[in-house]
Amino acid sequence: DIQMTQSPSSVSASVGDRVSITCRASQGINSWLAWYQQQPGKAPKLLIYAGSSLQSGVPSRFSGSGSGTDFTLTISSLQPEDFATYFCQQSNSFPFTFGQGTRLEIK
Amino acid sequence: QVQLVESGGGAVQPGRSLRLSCAASGFTFSIYGMHWVRQAPGKGLEWMAVMSSDGSNEYYADSVKGRFTISRDNSKNTLYLQMNSLRAEDTAVYYCAKDDDGSGNSQLGFWGQGTLVTVSS
Repeated sequence: DIQMTQSPSSVSASVGDRVSITCRASQGINSWLAWYQQQPGKAPKLLIYAGSSLQSGVPSRFSGSGSGTDFTLTISSLQPEDFATYFCQQSNSFPFTFGQGTRLEIK
Repeated sequence: QVQLVESGGGAVQPGRSLRLSCAASGFTFSIYGMHWVRQAPGKGLEWMAVMSSDGSNEYYADSVKGRFTISRDNSKNTLYLQMNSLRAEDTAVYYCAKDDDGSGNSQLGFWGQGTLVTVSS
């Protein structure tokens, strides 16, 4: 199975800050990587797919990059509604696997 | 609009069975792959199973292979998860999610709100 490792596990930041979260796959997954945002008590929401494609309706301050084994989710200017937990997920092969999550907290 | 509504969760004793349902609306259910994903209390997301749009292909996580079975009824726009031999570690919120492709081999574009399964004696 492909292991997905996110870093950091948690990060504190302020409104307006630029934040980056990384995700590393245990083997190459081309660009078959998605990012999800989960608010407390809510279902996950797709933000980015295919490594860098922005899901319809998602603000342009979210961006994704990377291919192979190393990927990054960047939020260019944090808004209050962005404080949540973020997960990466590979769809290169079954079983699909998720990273352990990164909790983004208000400083 | 796209809707996925899970049901069938609840409290069950170890070793017993439970069947979850996911009722879909707002899109053509029969042309999309569908997944089950779970989240234990306070933990991360764990992918469980997928079924292709026509039901011809299915895959499982090792942790549930042989115990859980995914199925779908395209005439009823409903996805199912039959869970047998339940264990305490199966306690979680179970989400159904719509794949963005018929094969089920793509990103999970839309998720239901989840149903809680608690396995305890």
